[in-house]
Amino acid sequence: TQLLEQSPQFLSIQEGENLTVYCNSSSVFSSLQWYRQEPGEGPVLLVTVVTGGEVKKLKRLTFQFGDARKDSSLHITAAQPGDTGLYLCAGENTGGFKTIFGAGTRLFVKA
Amino acid sequence: GAGVSQSPRYKVAKRGQDVALRCDPISGHVSLFWYQQALGQGPEFLTYFQNEAQLDKSGLPSDRFFAERPEGSVSTLKIQRTQQEDSAVYLCASSFRQGNSPLHFGNGTRLTVT
Repeated sequence: TQLLEQSPQFLSIQEGENLTVYCNSSSVFSSLQWYRQEPGEGPVLLVTVVTGGEVKKLKRLTFQFGDARKDSSLHITAAQPGDTGLYLCAGENTGGFKTIFGAGTRLFVKA
Repeated sequence: GAGVSQSPRYKVAKRGQDVALRCDPISGHVSLFWYQQALGQGPEFLTYFQNEAQLDKSGLPSDRFFAERPEGSVSTLKIQRTQQEDSAVYLCASSFRQGNSPLHFGNGTRLTVT
C-alpha cells in the first residue's frame, strides 16, 4: 500500500516568516501534486512535479520533488495571512487509477 | 458554472437512513473520483470511474457504499443504512484524462449522521 506522510501536521507562524512542509513515502510515484484547501471548499491544485529533482516556483512558493521520486517539499517565503489553509500532497499510484493524499499540514499565519 | 458541482451541500440523516450524493463533473472529463474526508484529515480514496466503467472501488468502506456513473457523466454515491462513522465530507473530483492529470474538486457534501 502506498502511503504519503506529511509533516508537520500543524504549523502556526507569524507573518513574514519562512516555512517548509514535507511529504514523504517509501514508494515511488509517477508524479506528486500539491493542493491547498480552505474551509468549506474542495482542494485546489497548486503544482504537479513529475521529474526526479524537479524544482518549481509559484510566486513565494517553491516545490521540490526528490531525486528518487519518493518525497517532496513545499517552501513558503515570507508567509502572509492569505497563505493560511490545509496543504495536501498527493501522488498517483503506479497503476495510475487513483490519486492518494497525505493527511495534510494545517498552516496558520498570524498577522 | 464550469466547475465540479456537488449536491446537496449539507445532509443530515438519522442512523439507518439511506442517502444519495450527487456529483456533476466538468463536461468532457473522463475520470471521476469519490473521496471521503474526515475532520482534520486528508481525503481518503473511495472509488474511481473512467467514463461509465468503475475501475477501482477498493476504497469503499463496506457493502453499504455504492457508486454509479451510468452515462459516463453524472455520478451518484449511495450509502445505505447510514451509521455515525459515515459522518464526513464526501468530495467528488474529475479530471480530463487518466494519468498525471490534475484533479478538479467540488466543494463536497457534508454528511452528518445523528
